[in-house]
Amino acid sequence: AQSVSQHNHHVILSEAASLELGCNYSYGGTVNLFWYVQYPGQHLQLLLKYFSGDPLVKGIKGFEAEFIKSKFSFNLRKPSVQWSDTAEYFCAGGTYKYIFGTGTRLKVLA
Amino acid sequence: EAGVAQSPRYKIIEKRQSVAFWCNPISGHATLYWYQQILGQGPKLLIQFQNNGVVDDSQLPKDRFSAERLKGVDSTLKIQPAKLEDSAVYLCASSLSGGFLNEQFFGPGTRLTVL
Repeated sequence: AQSVSQHNHHVILSEAASLELGCNYSYGGTVNLFWYVQYPGQHLQLLLKYFSGDPLVKGIKGFEAEFIKSKFSFNLRKPSVQWSDTAEYFCAGGTYKYIFGTGTRLKVLA
Repeated sequence: EAGVAQSPRYKIIEKRQSVAFWCNPISGHATLYWYQQILGQGPKLLIQFQNNGVVDDSQLPKDRFSAERLKGVDSTLKIQPAKLEDSAVYLCASSLSGGFLNEQFFGPGTRLTVL
């Protein structure tokens, strides 16, 4: 069965620290990978997506993710987090339907 | 542009009762999705519509859950009878068309508590 896994469930960082959230997928075939974010009290929204091409994908608000095929990974990164990045982050993927990971709650301390 | 609308926002019912959720997608979006998000988990796709036809309902517990999108616009998701394990946030999303190339836009969700 296809799956997407996130190993960090809770992350606490201070402002200006660098962020990396892990995401691994387990399926073959066409790779469709996404990162979604849910800010407190807001809807889920798309941060970035990868289908093919350049494995380094840039998204909104300074986020980027790197697709590493050999590691089945699609980790999310940000060089310097802000307090406003406090949110829950979901990795998602799939070949014929969306599969979401369990999410990572990020808290950024001012 | 108006977003995806859902109602109610919150619902508390007792087990064995029935409940219905409503979703109005973004105008012009042909594809509509219903997800179930249990606390501590990611959203799980329950059903996907393309216009008023079902594309995927493989994870919909059909003995108690039903969904329809009669005119290819609004959709309702019903649970009858509800169980304790149905307590979750039910998310509706829509996209211009199916597949992964078109972004999904999510609504605010309906938080269901089954007592």
